Amino acid sequence: QQQVKQSPQSLIVQKGGIPIINCAYENTAFDYFPWYQQFPGKGPALLIAIRPDVSEKKEGRFTISFNKSAKQFSLHIMDSQPGDSATYFCAASKGNQGGKLIFGQGTELSVKP
Amino acid sequence: DGGITQSPKYLFRKEGQNVTLSCEQNLNHDAMYWYRQDPGQGLRLIYYSQIVNDFQKGDIAEGYSVSREKKESFPLTVTSAQKNPTAFYLCASKTGQGEQPQHFGDGTRLSIL
Repeated sequence: QQQVKQSPQSLIVQKGGIPIINCAYENTAFDYFPWYQQFPGKGPALLIAIRPDVSEKKEGRFTISFNKSAKQFSLHIMDSQPGDSATYFCAASKGNQGGKLIFGQGTELSVKP
Repeated sequence: DGGITQSPKYLFRKEGQNVTLSCEQNLNHDAMYWYRQDPGQGLRLIYYSQIVNDFQKGDIAEGYSVSREKKESFPLTVTSAQKNPTAFYLCASKTGQGEQPQHFGDGTRLSIL
């Protein structure tokens, strides 16, 4: 019940394409859903985050879609660029759990020129 | 610049040896976290601390120990009891209240000689 399941494991798109990464969770007590971007040899960096009372959030070319009833959320990257090639992690946490994040397994994205 | 500093970047451990990974932050954050990252897997929580002189076990605490004597510092010791220590270790911190993002360091890669 504590798991966050992420798919696909890897993704290859052409420049300008719209990669979509999906995550699903079971625990309805989760109330914060961040996405992190990680480049090789670096720590993850927060990309965008959403709370379950919002169905969509956009920041630049990055959009989170949230479906509370289906317990799913996804990341869309508009007009993807080779510089977006990285590993993306979704995560979830409960407000009364000391900020503990439960991470998905990660998606390795490659954007071809 | 404020941030999280992890050292060393690479570390090698001999069989039966304890090693300590350093994590220092100058963000004035109350909470600090240690994660382990293995290839193809998400980040798994080892230990976390919400205030000085207090810490809690995460999901995979066996074979690890921590201390939190200062707000800025949260060192992780990988003991000889950890039978599979080869991994990328990430330290994170966040301000204590509410749904604030975790900020990560750039990690320490631990290998066994």
